[in-house]
Amino acid sequence: NAGVTQTPKFQVLKTGQSMTLQCAQDMNHEYMSWYRQDPGMGLRLIHYSVGAGITDQGEVPNGYNVSRSTTEDFPLRLLSAAPSQTSVYFCASSYSRTGGTEAFFGQGTRLTVV
Amino acid sequence: SQQGEEDPQALSIQEGENATMNCSYKTSINNLQWYRQNSGRGLVHLILIRSNEREKHSGRLRVTLDTSKKSSSLLITASRAADTASYFCATVPYNFNKFYFGSGTKLNVKP
Repeated sequence: NAGVTQTPKFQVLKTGQSMTLQCAQDMNHEYMSWYRQDPGMGLRLIHYSVGAGITDQGEVPNGYNVSRSTTEDFPLRLLSAAPSQTSVYFCASSYSRTGGTEAFFGQGTRLTVV
Repeated sequence: SQQGEEDPQALSIQEGENATMNCSYKTSINNLQWYRQNSGRGLVHLILIRSNEREKHSGRLRVTLDTSKKSSSLLITASRAADTASYFCATVPYNFNKFYFGSGTKLNVKP
């Protein structure tokens, strides 16, 4: 059972480039979400989804797009990378769409924008 | 902010001692969860306590919840060097399907 898989683990982008961070889970979870983690600021919610075809914004959505075409996959797109998007990104999934169960996290993607 | 806030930000203890960290939050919650993060890794779920529960145990972990004070505490008894990690609380409000994380407590257990 792989759980939540994120790719890539590390990425360096130039300002203005675009890229997609991949997230896949094999637990048939309805709820999936993306967070960014910056030093001293904990995890901040970027976007989340409660099922295929349904997405919504979190606390810090600007500069990021998401889509959910299948239950398993929840990619995060950076449209035009900026140095302020340098961070560690985590994808998480949860069985309950109402937050009543634990979240499972991927290992993270460390992104540097130069 | 609806995030939980952990206290202290950093804690250093000797192996065998108990470690206590606290979490305060602002809004009504459905449940509160504690997670551990080892350096460079993802978060791992430790324990979930629902709003109608006051205390929960799991191995060497004890979590309490006081909804009147909007606070929770995580106690790790007989700590080990392997417990060295950052610990986060996450609150889940009633009317939102979102997790709100605090900035964490960094625990260092010295052998």
